[in-house]
Amino acid sequence: GEQVEQRPPHLSVREGDSAVITCTYTDPNSYYFFWYKQEPGASLQLLMKVFSSTEINEGQGFTVLLNKKDKRLSLNLTAAHPGDSAAYFCAVRSYGNEKITFGAGTKLTIKP
Amino acid sequence: EAAVTQSPRSKVAVTGGKVTLSCHQTNNHDYMYWYRQDTGHGLRLIHYSYVADSTEKGDIPDGYKASRPSQENFSLILELASLSQTAVYFCASSGWGGAEQYFGPGTRLTVL
Repeated sequence: GEQVEQRPPHLSVREGDSAVITCTYTDPNSYYFFWYKQEPGASLQLLMKVFSSTEINEGQGFTVLLNKKDKRLSLNLTAAHPGDSAAYFCAVRSYGNEKITFGAGTKLTIKP
Repeated sequence: EAAVTQSPRSKVAVTGGKVTLSCHQTNNHDYMYWYRQDTGHGLRLIHYSYVADSTEKGDIPDGYKASRPSQENFSLILELASLSQTAVYFCASSGWGGAEQYFGPGTRLTVL
């Protein structure tokens, strides 16, 4: 079945700096990709989604890049601010699969 | 806006006791899921359902049962709770065709 590896598990950057979180997946039939944000003690909220026909998606200060050839998904934060401190999870869905496979998560800390 | 609610929000159970976690969604979604999240880790799928009166095993179903009596309601049952089942449990729903999942607020279960 699908396996998703997410790196790094912890990331600390200064306010205003950029940050990159990367996920690699194994199933070439994966076609729908998601990033979720989880603030401490809270539930998961959808941050962004990318369908297989698009490679770049932007919003909320984040950019999602999809490289299907390398089976790599990345979440890029261009200018971090304190409200971005949270755990971030990638998730991948494959054709014919009713399940979503989640990465293990990245805890992002923004320092002043 | 999509809404998934869970009850109880927090529960303390004794080892060997029975625990039932409930989930209710008003999204008119076909799919519902139960995940567990252990401290500092990602989500692991326990059970899911795509139609009332039917449930499917996820990746870690041992020690858990599920029930989907209606489209709106999905329960997770621990017949004999064990210490290893201490975790936060999230319910989620999604529409047909690979749409994103909407998560409930979570239930923090502590088994003593």
